[in-house]
Amino acid sequence: DQQVKQNSPSLSVQEGRISILNCDYTNSMFDYFLWYKKYPAEGPTFLISISSIKDKNEDGRFTVFLNKSAKHLSLHIVPSQPGDSAVYFCAASTSGTYKYIFGTGTRLKVLA
Amino acid sequence: DAGVIQSPRHEVTEMGQEVTLRCKPISGHNSLFWYRQTMMRGLELLIYFNNNVPIDDSGMPEDRFSAKMPNASFSTLKIQPSEPRDSAVYFCASSRSIGARAVTFGSGTRLTVV
Repeated sequence: DQQVKQNSPSLSVQEGRISILNCDYTNSMFDYFLWYKKYPAEGPTFLISISSIKDKNEDGRFTVFLNKSAKHLSLHIVPSQPGDSAVYFCAASTSGTYKYIFGTGTRLKVLA
Repeated sequence: DAGVIQSPRHEVTEMGQEVTLRCKPISGHNSLFWYRQTMMRGLELLIYFNNNVPIDDSGMPEDRFSAKMPNASFSTLKIQPSEPRDSAVYFCASSRSIGARAVTFGSGTRLTVV
């Protein structure tokens, strides 16, 4: 049973436009959420995180939004750049553990 | 900082053979994780260690899989005997238990069992 779900396997966006990647979770005990970016033949790299006490966290072009009632989070990339083309994973964990549950990933392609 | 180091980068083996994947976590990190990436299931957590002790191995798919962490700087994931369905990319990751909430991944080992 997938506790963290990324229902869109792929997404294509024009350069300069907004990319929105979505993630849903089922476990209400999750209270810390992360996004990772993965290029081919490399390990995932940490991008941005958010704690459940917040509903928004921003870092440059990247913003993560958390809707706890809907058990939904999203990653916004504005403006999108060709170098953002990668697979994006969302992950969730529970306080007191360092067990991170990942989604299946969304492949973003930014078209020049 | 050399990051999380995994070896080998690629492994091709015949069905039935034993496979051992290796990981050196970042110095000072006391949590270590083994993940498997497949197209169907994404990144699955197989096992995680804290201070060299296995905390949760509920993700280990079968008894054919085993993992050890004999000291703070080394871990192995062993598959014996290997099967074609074990073909995947295996990632090792590490983190500090206190103060850090993101894990750092290695570059992965691509395993192909023929």
